[in-house]
Amino acid sequence: SQQGEEDPQALSIQEGENATMNCSYKTSINNLQWYRQNSGRGLVHLILIRSNEREKHSGRLRVTLDTSKKSSSLLITASRAADTASYFCATEGSNDYKLSFGAGTTVTVRA
Amino acid sequence: GAVVSQHPSRVICKSGTSVKIECRSLDFQATTMFWYRQFPKQSLMLMATSNEGSKATYEQGVEKDKFLINHASLTLSTLTVTSAHPEDSSFYICSAGAVNTDTQYFGPGTRLTVL
Repeated sequence: SQQGEEDPQALSIQEGENATMNCSYKTSINNLQWYRQNSGRGLVHLILIRSNEREKHSGRLRVTLDTSKKSSSLLITASRAADTASYFCATEGSNDYKLSFGAGTTVTVRA
Repeated sequence: GAVVSQHPSRVICKSGTSVKIECRSLDFQATTMFWYRQFPKQSLMLMATSNEGSKATYEQGVEKDKFLINHASLTLSTLTVTSAHPEDSSFYICSAGAVNTDTQYFGPGTRLTVL
């Protein structure tokens, strides 16, 4: 079942600016993952943060996780036109390996 | 990184026909594969979990007789949409989980259009 909610639904920024999107979930998790999807294409795994981690970095990506608030954020720094895509958070539940996806945030980076 | 392929990438079929979609893990063994569908501008919805050598586990509301899943080997799972109708038109995506990891690797998706 889908348990993640993301905001904003859409985000439009200028190249070079930072983009921040948030994800909230409802049940306990093993980990939370962020994916990128270009229009009509498959998903690209960006980063995974475990339930006992609070922050993780990968290149221009920074992810935070607050399990007390059941929320996560994804920050893309110094955005590029190539970052234009939909971004989804997905949570892996404590009892199985299933992923529940959020509704996604559509990011448009203007050149 | 691990690669998952799907075939075909696009398929157009007439209403009432059946369509088979293949999902392959190319460079690793996947004990578990997952099938999702995604409607335009929406998120991914898990349809079923496929374990090698056993019956698939379907999510609530997904008809197992309509969406037949076979996971005959550690590198191949197939989804057959039987007696397809226009409302089955969607983007179908598979993912594969490697042994002893908690990362799923996603295929590129299959665009199904039923006329």
